[in-house]
Amino acid sequence: NAGVTQTPKFRVLKTGQSMTLLCAQDMNHEYMYWYRQDPGMGLRLIHYSVGEGTTAKGEVPDGYNVSRLKKQNFLLGLESAAPSQTSVYFCASSDPGGGDEKLFFGSGTQLSVL
Amino acid sequence: AQTVTQSQPEMSVQEAETVTLSCTYDTSESDYYLFWYKQPPSRQMILVIRQEAYKQQNATENRFSVNFQKAAKSFSLKISDSQLGDAAMYFCAYRRGGATNKLIFGTGTLLAVQP
Repeated sequence: NAGVTQTPKFRVLKTGQSMTLLCAQDMNHEYMYWYRQDPGMGLRLIHYSVGEGTTAKGEVPDGYNVSRLKKQNFLLGLESAAPSQTSVYFCASSDPGGGDEKLFFGSGTQLSVL
Repeated sequence: AQTVTQSQPEMSVQEAETVTLSCTYDTSESDYYLFWYKQPPSRQMILVIRQEAYKQQNATENRFSVNFQKAAKSFSLKISDSQLGDAAMYFCAYRRGGATNKLIFGTGTLLAVQP
């Protein structure tokens, strides 16, 4: 059981380049999330999805797009990368619940934008 | 808007001793949940403990326990008998109850365990 898998694990981009981060979960979870982690700022929610075909904005959505075409996959896209998007990106998934449900996290993607 | 504050960027504890990590939060909701997540150097986020706001009893998980003070909006984590493997970044997090499942994190406390 792989849980939540993120690809790639590391990536270096030049300013203006585009890329897509892939998140895949094999737990049949309804909810999926993308967070970014920056030093001194904790984890901040970028976008999330409450089911296949749905997406919603989180706390810091600007400069990112997402898609949830299949229940098990949640893609995060950067159309024109900027140095401010240098960060560690985490994907997570969970089942719906009253609020106490556990989030399952991937191991993160280290992205550097030069 | 809900906020989570961790005022201790770094903490240190001797092996086998006890350490308490602080967390305060701000919310006007009555139905919510609080969490502590651990992030070791591997970057993997691990759920340590969770607390329902409507429960007065403090949650415990083996050597980990919380001191939940609802009126003061305080949610501290106590680690007893600290072990070298406890060295990690610890994040306090809040989630409003109900359909919105967005988890709001604090800025983290980096815990060092001295042998």
